[in-house]
Amino acid sequence: GAVVSQHPSWVICKSGTSVKIECRSLDFQATTMFWYRQFPKQSLMLMATSNEGSKATYEQGVEKDKFLINHASLTLSTLTVTSAHPEDSSFYICSAKLAGGNEQFFGPGTRLTVL
Amino acid sequence: DAKTTQPTSMDCAEGRAANLPCNHSTISGNEYVYWYRQIHSQGPQYIIHGLKNNETNEMASLIITEDRKSSTLILPHATLRDTAVYYCIVRVRETSGSRLTFGEGTQLTVNP
Repeated sequence: GAVVSQHPSWVICKSGTSVKIECRSLDFQATTMFWYRQFPKQSLMLMATSNEGSKATYEQGVEKDKFLINHASLTLSTLTVTSAHPEDSSFYICSAKLAGGNEQFFGPGTRLTVL
Repeated sequence: DAKTTQPTSMDCAEGRAANLPCNHSTISGNEYVYWYRQIHSQGPQYIIHGLKNNETNEMASLIITEDRKSSTLILPHATLRDTAVYYCIVRVRETSGSRLTFGEGTQLTVNP
């Protein structure tokens, strides 16, 4: 149980285009989902916390207009990287917290490469 | 959340026990110790957590010192698939955001 999936697992796009990444909790309901970013040889950095049905809370330094987060249902959150640039190339990882619980379960990550 | 300190890297022979230390000298009374690991190019995987008592599950054992200022994650019989970055995280379990703050972790390399 407690499986989180991400789609796509990897994506290559041209500079200036937008990319949408999906995060799904497959066998549980997640009231809260988290989005992280990880650059090569670095640790995970929390970007934003997403609560179902409300606006996401962004960490300091993360542009909310560039990284659009939608958490429309208890099993799906999406991260859209708008007008992507090469510096946005990274490994994006989501996690989901079980409704009523405390533990986080992580997705497999999405590798974004912006040319 | 309390800051943690871990060695940058460790090596272990396959089949032997891997003991990964973590210092968290500023831990508060209501903060738990969590361990996650991240295999290369994958999302983090939860391993174990504890408050003050030693804990064991199918993956590992967690030994927390009596003063709670440090802990050790033990993989009893390391395999090549245990090669990963191991993160020790200290946080209050019941928080509204339940955020996890990842440090640099320990790169464990299990050698054949």
